[in-house]
Amino acid sequence: GENVEQHPSTLSVQEGDSAVIKCTYSDSASNYFPWYKQELGKRPQLIIDIRSNVGEKKDQRIAVTLNKTAKHFSLHITETQPEDSAVYFCAATPSFGNEKLTFGTGTRLTIIP
Amino acid sequence: EPEVTQTPSHQVTQMGQEVILRCVPISNHLYFYWYRQILGQKVEFLVSFYNNEISEKSEIFDDQFSVERPDGSNFTLKIRSTKLEDSAMYFCASKPGDTDTQYFGPGTRLTVL
Repeated sequence: GENVEQHPSTLSVQEGDSAVIKCTYSDSASNYFPWYKQELGKRPQLIIDIRSNVGEKKDQRIAVTLNKTAKHFSLHITETQPEDSAVYFCAATPSFGNEKLTFGTGTRLTIIP
Repeated sequence: EPEVTQTPSHQVTQMGQEVILRCVPISNHLYFYWYRQILGQKVEFLVSFYNNEISEKSEIFDDQFSVERPDGSNFTLKIRSTKLEDSAMYFCASKPGDTDTQYFGPGTRLTVL
C-alpha cells in the first residue's frame, strides 16, 4: 500500500519568511495530493491540492509542486503570518472512486512574530 | 457552505463499553470515510463506505468496529467493546462523486478509561 513520508516534523520560521514542507510517496498509482492544515483541536482543512497532470499550483501565498518521477511533492508558504501556525499534513491517493487518503506524519509550523 | 457534522464532540466511556459515533455527511456526497487520529500522531484511515457497503477497511478496523448508514443522512461508527487504545479523535469525511476532495467533520474525541 501507499506510504507517505513528511519532513520536517517541526519548523519554526520568522514572520514574513517562507516555509517549505516536503513529502514523498511510494505508490506510483497515486495521482491526487492534497494538503491539509489542522489547528489545535480542529478538523483538517484542505488548503491546496494538486493532481499528477500538473507540476505546480499556486493560490495566493501558498503553492504546491509535484515531481512525479521522483515521487515527491512540496508545500511552499510565502510571507508567513502568525495565523499560518498549525500542523500541516500532506496526503496521497490514487484518486479514483472511493480511494482512501494516506497521510504523512505532519509538520508543526510555528511562525515567530 | 455545507459542512460535515459529528456528534458528540467528546465521549468518555469505560473500557468494554459500546460507543456509537455519529456523522452527518454533506448531502449529495456519495463516499464516506472514518479516520482516527491518536493524540499527536497522523490521521489514519479506518474504513470507506459507498453504495451502502464497506469499500475498504484498514487493519485497525477489526471485528469490534462496524459502520452503518441507517437512513439517508446519518453515518455511524460503532465500537462494540472499547479498549484503552481506542482513545483517539475520530473524524468522519465525505466526498462528492465528481471531485477528489474529502471534507472532514470536526471530530469526536473518544476517551476510554
